[in-house]
Amino acid sequence: GENVEQHPSTLSVQEGDSAVIKCTYSDSASNYFPWYKQELGKRPQLIIDIRSNVGEKKDQRIAVTLNKTAKHFSLHITETQPEDSAVYFCAASMRSGNTPLVFGKGTRLSVIA
Amino acid sequence: DAGITQSPRYKITETGRQVTLMCHQTWSHSYMFWYRQDLGHGLRLIYYSAAADITDKGEVPDGYVVSRSKTENFPLTLESATRSQTSVYFCASSGAGGLTEAFFGQGTRLTVV
Repeated sequence: GENVEQHPSTLSVQEGDSAVIKCTYSDSASNYFPWYKQELGKRPQLIIDIRSNVGEKKDQRIAVTLNKTAKHFSLHITETQPEDSAVYFCAASMRSGNTPLVFGKGTRLSVIA
Repeated sequence: DAGITQSPRYKITETGRQVTLMCHQTWSHSYMFWYRQDLGHGLRLIYYSAAADITDKGEVPDGYVVSRSKTENFPLTLESATRSQTSVYFCASSGAGGLTEAFFGQGTRLTVV
């Protein structure tokens, strides 16, 4: 089945700096790659997603890039702010698409003011 | 209110007792999922359902039972609770399996003593 590896597991950055989180997936047929943010004590919520027919997608300070050949995708957060501190999860669809997303183990991002 | 809700939010139970966690969604999403979240393991899928009366195992199904007699409800039962089942449980729903955004409930923190 699909396997999603996420790195790093923890990341600390100074406020204003950029943060990058990387994920790799195993199923070459995967075609949907969402990113979720989970604040402390809250539910995971979608912040951005990308499909396999697109190489990059941006939404204000966040962007996601996808390299289908290498089977990896990354989350980029620019001009980080303290409210960006959270756990971020990447996920990938499985081959059939009718089965659930497979999640990475998460990255705990700390933005230091 | 529209959305996905879980109950209870917090539960303490004793080893060996049966516990049922409830999940209700108002979007008429066909897919519903149960995840457990433990430190270092991210979100692990317990069971999922593609439609009423259709359920399937996820990564960690042992010790759990689900049912889906109505599209909007997806209860999770721990038949005989064990301490290893102490966790935060998230229910989620989506309109198209792993191909679209999954919306998460607010979570149930279960402690087995």
